[in-house]
Amino acid sequence: SQQGEEDPQALSIQEGENATMNCSYKTSINNLQWYRQNSGRGLVHLILIRSNEREKHSGRLRVTLDTSKKSSSLLITASRAADTASYFCATDEVGGGGNKLTFGTGTQLKVEL
Amino acid sequence: EPEVTQTPSHQVTQMGQEVILRCVPISNHLYFYWYRQILGQKVEFLVSFYNNEISEKSEIFDDQFSVERPDGSNFTLKIRSTKLEDSAMYFCASTYQGARYGYTFGSGTRLTVV
Repeated sequence: SQQGEEDPQALSIQEGENATMNCSYKTSINNLQWYRQNSGRGLVHLILIRSNEREKHSGRLRVTLDTSKKSSSLLITASRAADTASYFCATDEVGGGGNKLTFGTGTQLKVEL
Repeated sequence: EPEVTQTPSHQVTQMGQEVILRCVPISNHLYFYWYRQILGQKVEFLVSFYNNEISEKSEIFDDQFSVERPDGSNFTLKIRSTKLEDSAMYFCASTYQGARYGYTFGSGTRLTVV
C-alpha cells in the first residue's frame, strides 16, 4: 500500500464552485504539504500543515489535518479556470530524517468556465 | 521570487549513453534533492544532499546514478548508462531547512531515452 493516496483521482467542477481533495497516509508524520502541478510543469508549493495543527488557511486554500485518521483535505474555494492542475499531498515522515517527502498519487482538477 | 533553474528542459539520449542533468538551487538553500516522475505516475524521491554529501537515497538511486555539487551554485544528477525505463521528468528541489519546510522545485528536465 502507498503512503499517500488521494481521492478523487479526478474532479471536474464549474468555475466559482468549491473543490475538495482528500489525502490519506499510513505513517506518523512531521508535516503534510500540498503541491500543485500544471500539465508538464514543475511542482509549486501551496501550503504546509504541521502535525500539531488541525487547520490552516492561505488565501482561497484551506487545509485540514486529522492525525488520528491519518488524513488531510485541501479545499479550494471559489475556483477559477486557472486552478486547473494536478494537486499532490506530500508527507515528511517521522523517523525519515527530514531528508525527503513522500508524494501521493494526485488529484487532477479541471475547472470549467 | 527566487527560482530553482534546471537545464536542459528536454533531453533525448540513446540507451547506454551518459546524461548529466543540471540544476541551480536557490542561493541560500542548504538542502538539495532530485525527484523523478514517470509519465502519469507519482513523484518519486531519488536522493537528498546536504553539507556536500548524500543524506538519503532511494532504491531507485543505484550505482548508475550520482550527484555532485561541483561549485557553489550547481547541483547535478548523472546517469551513467541510461536505460529506456529512465525516461521520466526529473525535478530538482531545494530548501533552507530540509523537509520541515516547503520545497522549491525547478520546472524539470524531460529525459527521453530511445
